Amino acid sequence: GAVVSQHPSWVICKSGTSVKIECRSLDFQATTMFWYRQFPKQSLMLMATSNEGSKATYEQGVEKDKFLINHASLTLSTLTVTSAHPEDSSFYICSARDSLAGDSDTQYFGPGTRLTVL
Amino acid sequence: GQNIDQPTEMTATEGAIVQINCTYQTSGFNGLFWYQQHAGEAPTFLSYNVLDGLEEKGRFSSFLSRSKGYSYLLLKELQMKDSASYLCAVKDSNYQLIWGAGTKLIIKP
Repeated sequence: GAVVSQHPSWVICKSGTSVKIECRSLDFQATTMFWYRQFPKQSLMLMATSNEGSKATYEQGVEKDKFLINHASLTLSTLTVTSAHPEDSSFYICSARDSLAGDSDTQYFGPGTRLTVL
Repeated sequence: GQNIDQPTEMTATEGAIVQINCTYQTSGFNGLFWYQQHAGEAPTFLSYNVLDGLEEKGRFSSFLSRSKGYSYLLLKELQMKDSASYLCAVKDSNYQLIWGAGTKLIIKP
């Protein structure tokens, strides 16, 4: 159980275009999902916390107008990188917390999306 | 500030035992997680500690001492597939996860 999927697994796009990444919890409900970014050989950096039915909470330094997050259902959150630039090239990972699980608050991670902006 | 410290890299031999340490200074404590991350892949959950003591799960065990701000992940009977980065993360008083930079574990035959 506790499977999280991401789509696409990798994407190459031209500078200035927008890219949407989907994160789905397949066998559980997730009122809270998280979006991370990881540059090569660096640790995970939390970008934002996505709450179902409300606005996302962005970490300091993350532009909310550039990284649009929508969490319209209990099983789906989307991250849209708008007007992508080469410096946005990174590994984007989502995670989800099982709303009905115990108090461990374990996050289950998606497989990640590798974004390359040319 | 909040800080999680882990060794950057460790090397061990197949079949041996290795202990990866994690020390933390955070604003509050609501649990500590260990994750495994293979290169190019997302992290996978290994263990969760919220009370002091040792949690054993197969070949992997995790220990926590809240008074010392210290945890370790113990890997026994090392296999080549255990070569990965091991991430320590602490949930602070705001229930935010603070991540360590990870320890790259290299297993040699």
